[in-house]
Amino acid sequence: EVQLVESGGGLGQPGGSLRLSCAASGFTFSSYEMNWVRQAPGKGLEWVSYISSSGATMYYADSVKGRFTISRDNAKNSLYLQMNSLRAEDTAIYYCARGEVAPTLFDFWGQGTLVTVSS
Amino acid sequence: DIVMTQSPDSLAVSLGERATINCKSSQSVLYSSNNKNYLAWYQQRPGQPPKLLIYWASTRESGVPDRFSGSGSGTDFTLTISSLQPEDVAVYYCQQYYDTPYIFGQGTKLEIK
Repeated sequence: EVQLVESGGGLGQPGGSLRLSCAASGFTFSSYEMNWVRQAPGKGLEWVSYISSSGATMYYADSVKGRFTISRDNAKNSLYLQMNSLRAEDTAIYYCARGEVAPTLFDFWGQGTLVTVSS
Repeated sequence: DIVMTQSPDSLAVSLGERATINCKSSQSVLYSSNNKNYLAWYQQRPGQPPKLLIYWASTRESGVPDRFSGSGSGTDFTLTISSLQPEDVAVYYCQQYYDTPYIFGQGTKLEIK
């Protein structure tokens, strides 16, 4: 059974940092491209970042470029999102999502982890 | 950026009736080299993560009931639910995966009338 389990969310200070993790199981993680997608409370979906299966290629939304870093450890079947210089507008549920058929076509999503940025 | 605009923002349909949601992209998402539209539809039930319904504008994901169908090409797309069921109450999003940033529409909230 395919599973994606996010962790690392919580309360972050403005200007502070958080690191999100996504543990994958039930599929060959190293063969799939992965993404982070977020959803502010009561709002729509926003793609955040993409990483290729090897980890060599990354893309970011303009809203997080220069502040967030996506990475992966294929030996540990894990995806990460390092979030620096946090802002109030980063408050959201963060989902990891697998890319299938096309790199940023999200065929499977985790349950998400809530990040709240507040002083 | 390719902007995705859905209509309507909300929709109330009677059980067993047809529901239609539209999605318009600010530029074509049809890739000429493979003649595929890089357009997907997702369903998000309350308290749940999104679920992929349709990709390549009209290909149903495995396990998705055949009452869901997608159509359109280029810049104009439609998601149709042929006979609304109670479990279809959700927010529906279109998404272009043609080019970064991979933008979603604002969502359409579907309710039972």
